[in-house]
Amino acid sequence: GAGVSQSPSNKVTEKGKDVELRCDPISGHTALYWYRQSLGQGLEFLIYFQGNSAPDKSGLPSDRFSAERTGGSVSTLTIQRTQQEDSAVYLCASSLVDGYYEQYFGPGTRLTVT
Amino acid sequence: GQQLNQSPQSMFIQEGEDVSMNCTSSSIFNTWLWYKQDPGEGPVLLIALYKAGELTSNGRLTAQFGITRKDSFLNISASIPSDVGIYFCAGQPTDSWGKLQFGAGTQVVVTP
Repeated sequence: GAGVSQSPSNKVTEKGKDVELRCDPISGHTALYWYRQSLGQGLEFLIYFQGNSAPDKSGLPSDRFSAERTGGSVSTLTIQRTQQEDSAVYLCASSLVDGYYEQYFGPGTRLTVT
Repeated sequence: GQQLNQSPQSMFIQEGEDVSMNCTSSSIFNTWLWYKQDPGEGPVLLIALYKAGELTSNGRLTAQFGITRKDSFLNISASIPSDVGIYFCAGQPTDSWGKLQFGAGTQVVVTP
């Protein structure tokens, strides 16, 4: 079946602009996660949606970052007033049910802020 | 930030050799996962471990969940060129529902 998809695959933006990154989880997966991966680094947790509960936003680095999940499926990560330090690969993952730890990742969106 | 210590940072090995890498944590984990990431791709799940002492194989890959619940290792036997990539460990802390912590990765390079 179809895996996690993300769009765009690459995004170049000017400092100060807003960007939106999209994630389509695996059909039927109720939990969705966003991570950030800087060059040569591991994955940094950003935000976690599970079912209809309020998301866990504890990993968002600043109030310029926000995310929403519509209809329990597609999610959008928004970064306002982008800064150069926001340049990274943004990865989305989904898992079958809340608390089921096997997360399946999309290919990521590479964001470059110039 | 990362709270897992993954080692080694990189490995250069010859085809046919075995590879071993490990992760340690100061916290107790409920779950250990091992992922492989190829350039330009997202991490792909290789093995999931759920019980202390559990030893699980997936083809030439073998991973174990440490008895103390604070460590895990991954072995790759008889490496082949397609084993090249970055391997990440990830753990689910007992006090952090739904959020995985990731190691910094082990870069594996296989030479013919």
